[in-house]
Amino acid sequence: DSGVTQTPKHLITATGQRVTLRCSPRSGDLSVYWYQQSLDQGLQFLIQYYNGEERAKGNILERFSAQQFPDLHSELNLSSLELGDSALYFCASSVDPTAGSSYEQYFGPGTRLTVT
Amino acid sequence: GESVGLHLPTLSVQEGDNSIINCAYSNSASDYFIWYKQESGKGPQFIIDIRSNMDKRQGQRVTVLLNKTVKHLSLQIAATQPGDSAVYFCAPDPQAGTALIFGKGTTLSVSS
Repeated sequence: DSGVTQTPKHLITATGQRVTLRCSPRSGDLSVYWYQQSLDQGLQFLIQYYNGEERAKGNILERFSAQQFPDLHSELNLSSLELGDSALYFCASSVDPTAGSSYEQYFGPGTRLTVT
Repeated sequence: GESVGLHLPTLSVQEGDNSIINCAYSNSASDYFIWYKQESGKGPQFIIDIRSNMDKRQGQRVTVLLNKTVKHLSLQIAATQPGDSAVYFCAPDPQAGTALIFGKGTTLSVSS
């Protein structure tokens, strides 16, 4: 168990809909990352938050957005869903990156999104 | 940007054999590398890391070798067990706290 929790575990929804994925990082971790994993694209970085602020953006679509709350949990919002958005969405967390104590990211179990 | 590739998408071995998973990278400035393992239905999990000032690092049953000249690293698993069956990713991570860039991964299948 990595200590990172994600809900829901599975999500089935229709095209055009909007969903919210939730992530709670490990206790004490300030940095949260979101990744998308599909069969044809592998694991792709979407966005990173650090202590409530957006730190880096990857291949995140404009239809997607995220935020990190004061209690450090994070939500990934996916809107106007398309069939191609079907994928596993992982959240990962790490300690304060500026402390240099660890490069390791701890991944949650993922949310499997199916868009029909 | 960095591109990471793995030489073989799949590797099948017998239980007890040694496994070698290879990874090539493109950015010669990369100074830190991490290996992750992803079991079916789970998120990736850290295995071992190596810095560019090292050629070799050993963990429990795993060894990572780094050849900076040809920008290649390999993960060796000794006495492979069925529980080692997973997808293995290498990721260069030049700065702490930045996103991991994974390649497609190598799927290791261990048969008993």
